[in-house]
Amino acid sequence: AQKVTQAQTEISVVEKEDVTLDCVYETRDTTYYLFWYKQPPSGELVFLIRRNSFDEQNEISGRYSWNFQKSTSSFNFTITASQVVDSAVYFCALSEAGDDKIIFGKGTRLHILP
Amino acid sequence: DAGVIQSPRHEVTEMGQEVTLRCKPISGHNSLFWYRQTMMRGLELLIYFNNNVPIDDSGMPEDRFSAKMPNASFSTLKIQPSEPRDSAVYFCASSSRRAGGVDSPLHFGNGTRLTVT
Repeated sequence: AQKVTQAQTEISVVEKEDVTLDCVYETRDTTYYLFWYKQPPSGELVFLIRRNSFDEQNEISGRYSWNFQKSTSSFNFTITASQVVDSAVYFCALSEAGDDKIIFGKGTRLHILP
Repeated sequence: DAGVIQSPRHEVTEMGQEVTLRCKPISGHNSLFWYRQTMMRGLELLIYFNNNVPIDDSGMPEDRFSAKMPNASFSTLKIQPSEPRDSAVYFCASSSRRAGGVDSPLHFGNGTRLTVT
């Protein structure tokens, strides 16, 4: 069965600090997809990134970067030089190939303090 | 291009009443998902459809919950009778399913905040 664990329930950092959000997943499939979503205070869920299990290259998009390591079943998300607008709940999610389900972790609430 | 549209945005009802939540997926998307979000349980998948057919409803909490997708552009989630513990934000999401499973991102609606008193 698939499972996503986000051990950090809540994190607070001061603006301009770097912060890493952890995500550990469990799956028996060799082909699967990993996602990160952002939920700002307004409540909508915003897609950030999708990776497939065959692509272990790290990805950088502006201040955001993702570190995918199959050896530790982790897909961590780092925000560099954090800003107040980054304050949100961030969800990691997993889907297995051949199964339409996308299962979410419990989320990490990130507070960026001015 | 319009995103996923949910209605109503807010619903307040009394225990025992029937509640119907509505969703219009993105045109061309063939998979539709209903999620429920609460503080305690996070985002839970209730049911999903592929090409209008319910595929997995194992997340539906009780028989009081039912979902339909009569056509590719409309789905409903019904709770009858509603109870205070059903209070939550209900999200609808859609995606385009490819062969081998869903690997396209989910596009979420803005959610319906349900309060049952």
